[in-house]
Amino acid sequence: GQNIDQPTEMTATEGAIVQINCTYQTSGFNGLFWYQQHAGEAPTFLSYNVLDGLEEKGRFSSFLSRSKGYSYLLLKELQMKDSASYLCAVRGTNDYKLSFGAGTTVTVRA
Amino acid sequence: GAGVSQSPSNKVTEKGKDVELRCDPISGHTALYWYRQSLGQGLEFLIYFQGNSAPDKSGLPSDRFSAERTGGSVSTLTIQRTQQEDSAVYLCASSSGGIQYFGAGTRLSVL
Repeated sequence: GQNIDQPTEMTATEGAIVQINCTYQTSGFNGLFWYQQHAGEAPTFLSYNVLDGLEEKGRFSSFLSRSKGYSYLLLKELQMKDSASYLCAVRGTNDYKLSFGAGTTVTVRA
Repeated sequence: GAGVSQSPSNKVTEKGKDVELRCDPISGHTALYWYRQSLGQGLEFLIYFQGNSAPDKSGLPSDRFSAERTGGSVSTLTIQRTQQEDSAVYLCASSSGGIQYFGAGTRLSVL
């Protein structure tokens, strides 16, 4: 099975940086995904890591360490529209379904 | 369509009634998933369809839950004899590779 942990809430100031950590314990690993979900809306894909290291996409970056069962999502130059829930999800080996953490609600304040 | 479409967006029902939730995946996507999102909990996998293969129903919480996918496209999730604990947001996703694209979900409230 999969056990995925991430903080429940984080607050940051507009223009600042926030790092959302995700730790996982899984019976197999075939990739880690980050999604953003605004209240009442569909989760939208942000990033995918399958190898160790940092993936950068504009203001968002995601890091993975498979040996530590650890990932983080880094949000830079925060904007008010970044206030949302961020979901960490793991896909197991030979597995197509995703196992999700409970999500981290990020609030950006002016 | 441009994205995954789900209907209705909201459904209020009485305990004991049956409900049907619909999902229209992205055109050409062969894989379709149903998840359930309860307050304060992560998305919970329910069922997976891939092409003409037998679906993976391992996540369905009870035999009151069933799903179909007709013609490899539209899917319907049916919940029979609804219970209050079935209240949640039901999300559908589709993919043609690794990334799953989600619909906005159906918020089900069982009174």
